[in-house]
Amino acid sequence: DAKTTQPTSMDCAEGRAANLPCNHSTISGNEYVYWYRQIHSQGPQYIIHGLKNNETNEMASLIITEDRKSSTLILPHATLRDTAVYYCIANNYGQNFVFGPGTRLSVLP
Amino acid sequence: KAGVTQTPRYLIKTRGQQVTLSCSPISGHRSVSWYQQTPGQGLQFLFEYFSETQRNKGNFPGRFSGRQFSNSRSEMNVSTLELGDSALYLCASGYGGLDNEQFFGPGTRLTVL
Repeated sequence: DAKTTQPTSMDCAEGRAANLPCNHSTISGNEYVYWYRQIHSQGPQYIIHGLKNNETNEMASLIITEDRKSSTLILPHATLRDTAVYYCIANNYGQNFVFGPGTRLSVLP
Repeated sequence: KAGVTQTPRYLIKTRGQQVTLSCSPISGHRSVSWYQQTPGQGLQFLFEYFSETQRNKGNFPGRFSGRQFSNSRSEMNVSTLELGDSALYLCASGYGGLDNEQFFGPGTRLTVL
Protein backbone atom coordinates (compact mmCIF):
# COMPACT_ATOMS: atom_id res chain seq x y z
CA ASP A 1 0.00 0.00 0.00
CA ALA A 2 1.09 3.54 -0.69
CA LYS A 3 2.41 5.44 2.33
CA THR A 4 0.90 8.67 1.09
CA THR A 5 -2.62 10.01 0.66
CA GLN A 6 -3.64 12.67 -1.82
CA PRO A 7 -6.93 14.24 -2.91
CA THR A 8 -8.48 12.44 -5.83
CA SER A 9 -8.80 15.51 -7.99
CA MET A 10 -8.23 19.26 -8.06
CA ASP A 11 -8.92 22.12 -10.42
CA CYS A 12 -6.76 25.16 -10.97
CA ALA A 13 -7.21 28.23 -13.15
CA GLU A 14 -4.59 28.76 -15.82
CA GLY A 15 -1.91 31.19 -14.69
CA ARG A 16 -2.63 30.63 -11.02
CA ALA A 17 -0.52 28.64 -8.61
CA ALA A 18 -1.50 25.01 -8.19
CA ASN A 19 -0.96 23.70 -4.67
CA LEU A 20 -1.13 19.93 -4.43
CA PRO A 21 -1.14 18.48 -0.90
CA CYS A 22 0.17 15.11 0.21
CA ASN A 23 -0.13 13.42 3.56
CA HIS A 24 2.65 11.07 4.67
CA SER A 25 2.13 10.89 8.39
CA THR A 26 3.99 7.56 8.75
CA ILE A 27 7.07 8.60 6.83
CA SER A 28 10.32 7.44 8.40
CA GLY A 29 13.29 9.68 9.04
CA ASN A 30 15.31 8.60 6.04
CA GLU A 31 12.52 8.48 3.49
CA TYR A 32 12.47 11.08 0.77
CA VAL A 33 9.32 12.61 -0.66
CA TYR A 34 9.16 12.36 -4.45
CA TRP A 35 6.72 13.93 -6.86
CA TYR A 36 6.00 12.64 -10.34
CA ARG A 37 3.33 13.46 -12.84
CA GLN A 38 1.85 11.47 -15.67
CA ILE A 39 0.20 12.94 -18.70
CA HIS A 40 -2.24 10.54 -20.30
CA SER A 41 -0.56 7.30 -21.43
CA GLN A 42 2.97 8.69 -21.18
CA GLY A 43 5.63 7.57 -18.73
CA PRO A 44 5.65 9.39 -15.38
CA GLN A 45 7.80 12.48 -15.36
CA TYR A 46 10.03 13.29 -12.41
CA ILE A 47 9.24 16.69 -10.88
CA ILE A 48 11.09 17.15 -7.62
CA HIS A 49 12.06 15.44 -4.38
CA GLY A 50 13.19 16.38 -0.91
CA LEU A 51 14.04 15.06 2.53
CA LYS A 52 13.60 17.83 5.09
CA ASN A 53 14.23 21.16 3.47
CA ASN A 54 12.04 22.92 0.99
CA GLU A 55 13.19 22.47 -2.57
CA THR A 56 12.73 24.43 -5.78
CA ASN A 57 13.61 23.72 -9.36
CA GLU A 58 12.55 25.01 -12.76
CA MET A 59 9.32 23.04 -12.64
CA ALA A 60 8.01 23.38 -9.11
CA SER A 61 8.56 23.98 -5.42
CA LEU A 62 8.23 21.40 -2.68
CA ILE A 63 7.27 22.51 0.79
CA ILE A 64 7.72 19.89 3.53
CA THR A 65 6.30 20.55 6.98
CA GLU A 66 8.71 20.59 9.89
CA ASP A 67 7.34 17.33 11.29
CA ARG A 68 7.58 15.85 7.76
CA LYS A 69 4.05 14.46 7.99
CA SER A 70 2.85 16.33 4.94
CA SER A 71 4.07 18.26 1.96
CA THR A 72 2.78 20.51 -0.80
CA LEU A 73 3.85 20.64 -4.41
CA ILE A 74 3.51 24.09 -5.89
CA LEU A 75 3.32 24.79 -9.60
CA PRO A 76 3.73 28.58 -9.55
CA HIS A 77 1.95 29.46 -12.80
CA ALA A 78 -0.09 26.53 -13.99
CA THR A 79 -0.62 26.08 -17.73
CA LEU A 80 -2.95 23.79 -19.64
CA ARG A 81 0.02 21.48 -20.22
CA ASP A 82 0.24 20.89 -16.48
CA THR A 83 -3.01 18.92 -16.60
CA ALA A 84 -1.94 15.47 -15.42
CA VAL A 85 -2.09 12.96 -12.59
CA TYR A 86 0.37 13.92 -9.85
CA TYR A 87 1.87 11.26 -7.62
CA CYS A 88 3.46 11.81 -4.24
CA ILE A 89 5.70 8.97 -3.07
CA ALA A 90 7.63 8.35 0.14
CA ASN A 91 10.68 6.27 -0.61
CA ASN A 92 13.87 5.06 0.96
CA TYR A 93 17.07 3.75 -0.50
CA GLY A 94 16.68 0.19 -1.67
CA GLN A 95 12.90 0.33 -1.69
CA ASN A 96 10.71 0.25 -4.73
CA PHE A 97 8.39 3.15 -5.50
CA VAL A 98 4.81 2.53 -4.43
CA PHE A 99 2.39 4.62 -6.45
CA GLY A 100 -1.02 5.47 -5.10
CA PRO A 101 -3.87 6.72 -7.29
CA GLY A 102 -2.46 10.27 -7.23
CA THR A 103 -4.26 13.58 -7.75
CA ARG A 104 -5.81 14.37 -11.09
CA LEU A 105 -5.10 18.05 -11.66
CA SER A 106 -7.17 19.84 -14.25
CA VAL A 107 -5.94 23.26 -15.30
CA LEU A 108 -8.87 25.24 -16.63
CA PRO A 109 -8.66 28.07 -19.18
CA LYS B 1 21.66 12.94 -22.22
CA ALA B 2 19.31 10.64 -24.04
CA GLY B 3 16.34 9.50 -21.99
CA VAL B 4 15.16 6.02 -21.17
CA THR B 5 14.13 4.15 -24.28
CA GLN B 6 11.80 1.20 -24.51
CA THR B 7 11.17 -1.12 -27.39
CA PRO B 8 8.84 -1.95 -28.88
CA ARG B 9 6.38 0.84 -28.15
CA TYR B 10 3.34 -1.23 -29.11
CA LEU B 11 2.82 -4.96 -29.20
CA ILE B 12 -0.11 -7.25 -29.88
CA LYS B 13 0.04 -10.87 -28.78
CA THR B 14 -2.40 -13.70 -28.27
CA ARG B 15 -3.09 -15.69 -25.14
CA GLY B 16 -0.49 -18.31 -24.38
CA GLN B 17 2.31 -16.58 -26.23
CA GLN B 18 5.32 -15.06 -24.57
CA VAL B 19 6.78 -11.59 -24.96
CA THR B 20 10.09 -9.85 -24.30
CA LEU B 21 10.30 -6.12 -23.70
CA SER B 22 13.50 -4.12 -23.74
CA CYS B 23 14.67 -1.09 -21.80
CA SER B 24 17.79 1.01 -22.33
CA PRO B 25 18.52 3.19 -19.30
CA ILE B 26 20.05 6.63 -19.24
CA SER B 27 23.81 6.44 -19.63
CA GLY B 28 25.48 5.92 -16.25
CA HIS B 29 22.39 4.57 -14.53
CA ARG B 30 22.80 1.16 -12.97
CA SER B 31 19.31 0.62 -11.61
CA VAL B 32 16.39 -0.39 -13.81
CA SER B 33 12.88 -0.90 -12.47
CA TRP B 34 9.84 -2.24 -14.24
CA TYR B 35 6.22 -1.33 -13.60
CA GLN B 36 2.88 -2.45 -14.94
CA GLN B 37 0.09 0.07 -15.33
CA THR B 38 -3.53 -0.90 -15.85
CA PRO B 39 -6.70 1.17 -15.44
CA GLY B 40 -7.89 -1.05 -12.61
CA GLN B 41 -4.70 -1.51 -10.59
CA GLY B 42 -2.75 1.63 -11.39
CA LEU B 43 1.04 1.61 -11.39
CA GLN B 44 2.43 -1.53 -9.84
CA PHE B 45 6.05 -2.42 -9.24
CA LEU B 46 7.33 -5.57 -10.92
CA PHE B 47 11.04 -5.74 -10.11
CA GLU B 48 14.24 -3.78 -9.92
CA TYR B 49 17.68 -4.72 -11.16
CA PHE B 50 20.89 -3.15 -9.99
CA SER B 51 24.26 -4.15 -11.41
CA GLU B 52 22.76 -7.26 -13.03
CA THR B 53 21.17 -8.48 -9.78
CA GLN B 54 17.51 -8.40 -8.89
CA ARG B 55 17.32 -6.16 -5.86
CA ASN B 56 13.57 -5.91 -5.32
CA LYS B 57 10.59 -7.86 -6.49
CA GLY B 58 6.92 -7.02 -6.51
CA ASN B 59 3.96 -9.31 -6.04
CA PHE B 60 3.63 -10.79 -9.51
CA PRO B 61 3.52 -14.43 -10.60
CA GLY B 62 6.59 -16.23 -11.84
CA ARG B 63 5.45 -15.76 -15.44
CA PHE B 64 6.98 -12.31 -15.14
CA SER B 65 10.74 -12.33 -15.16
CA GLY B 66 13.55 -10.02 -16.02
CA ARG B 67 17.24 -9.64 -16.37
CA GLN B 68 19.86 -6.97 -16.67
CA PHE B 69 22.96 -7.03 -18.79
CA SER B 70 26.42 -5.72 -18.04
CA ASN B 71 25.68 -2.50 -19.95
CA SER B 72 22.66 -1.96 -17.65
CA ARG B 73 20.14 -2.61 -20.42
CA SER B 74 17.26 -4.70 -19.16
CA GLU B 75 14.67 -7.01 -20.54
CA MET B 76 11.49 -8.33 -19.05
CA ASN B 77 9.72 -11.43 -20.20
CA VAL B 78 6.15 -12.53 -19.73
CA SER B 79 5.36 -16.14 -20.54
CA THR B 80 1.99 -17.77 -21.15
CA LEU B 81 0.26 -14.47 -21.70
CA GLU B 82 -3.20 -13.89 -20.25
CA LEU B 83 -5.78 -11.31 -21.23
CA GLY B 84 -5.15 -9.54 -17.94
CA ASP B 85 -1.54 -8.90 -18.89
CA SER B 86 -2.70 -6.21 -21.29
CA ALA B 87 -1.13 -3.09 -19.87
CA LEU B 88 1.38 -0.31 -20.25
CA TYR B 89 4.77 -1.60 -19.15
CA LEU B 90 7.07 1.10 -17.90
CA CYS B 91 10.75 1.01 -17.26
CA ALA B 92 12.59 3.51 -15.05
CA SER B 93 16.28 4.00 -14.55
CA GLY B 94 18.34 5.65 -11.85
CA TYR B 95 21.71 5.65 -10.16
CA GLY B 96 20.22 3.40 -7.51
CA GLY B 97 21.84 5.15 -4.62
CA LEU B 98 20.59 6.91 -1.53
CA ASP B 99 18.95 9.60 -3.63
CA ASN B 100 16.62 7.29 -5.47
CA GLU B 101 15.51 9.55 -8.31
CA GLN B 102 14.12 7.49 -11.19
CA PHE B 103 13.42 8.49 -14.76
CA PHE B 104 10.75 6.73 -16.74
CA GLY B 105 10.63 5.68 -20.35
CA PRO B 106 7.59 6.10 -22.59
CA GLY B 107 6.41 2.56 -21.97
CA THR B 108 5.43 -0.42 -24.08
CA ARG B 109 1.72 -0.87 -24.67
CA LEU B 110 0.99 -4.61 -24.69
CA THR B 111 -2.36 -5.89 -25.89
CA VAL B 112 -3.20 -9.55 -25.39
CA LEU B 113 -6.01 -10.91 -27.55
